[in-house]
Amino acid sequence: AQSVTQLGSHVSVSEGALVLLRCNYSSSVPPYLFWYVQYPNQGLQLLLKYTTGATLVKGINGFEAEFKKSETSFHLTKPSAHMSDAAEYFCAVSFPIYNQGGKLIFGQGTELSVKP
Amino acid sequence: KAGVTQTPRYLIKTRGQQVTLSCSPISGHRSVSWYQQTPGQGLQFLFEYFSETQRNKGNFPGRFSGRQFSNSRSEMNVSTLELGDSALYLCASSSGRGQGAGGNTEAFFGQGTRLTVV
Repeated sequence: AQSVTQLGSHVSVSEGALVLLRCNYSSSVPPYLFWYVQYPNQGLQLLLKYTTGATLVKGINGFEAEFKKSETSFHLTKPSAHMSDAAEYFCAVSFPIYNQGGKLIFGQGTELSVKP
Repeated sequence: KAGVTQTPRYLIKTRGQQVTLSCSPISGHRSVSWYQQTPGQGLQFLFEYFSETQRNKGNFPGRFSGRQFSNSRSEMNVSTLELGDSALYLCASSSGRGQGAGGNTEAFFGQGTRLTVV
């Protein structure tokens, strides 16, 4: 079965510190990988995605993620946290299978807190 | 370009009633997907429509249904509401090119409809 696991439902960092949010997936076929961010009472906004090509992907707001096939991981990082990064982050996968492309499978989410 | 618009933003319904939620996708997008978000279950896929056809469906009871119109606008309906249906319902649109996978295209989400069942 296809699934996404995010390690740590809550992560707290100090402003200026490294942000590392972990995501692992389970899949029988190579997936497409996404990171979304959700601010309170808002929808989801795409941070970055991996479909093909370079495994290190850069996104908005200084975030990046690296696809490691051998580890089935797609961890999200940002070198220096900012107060405005406080939000909930979701890792998601979809699959290049006929008529399955519109379905995203999400991890449980990681709430990021940033301390001043 | 206008984003994905969901109406209404907030809704309070009584157990046993039915409800219809609306989603207007980004202009030109033909794929609309619906998700339910709850604290306990997280984000779960409900269904996806492409060019008025349901292309995929999640594991929800038949009380949850949807449709898509020729202008790509979509509605979802929940009949015989239960307390457990209280959730944030999110709609997402994408170009969803063709009948193939299209899974590599970005899904743009609306702000959601917060449904409370009392």
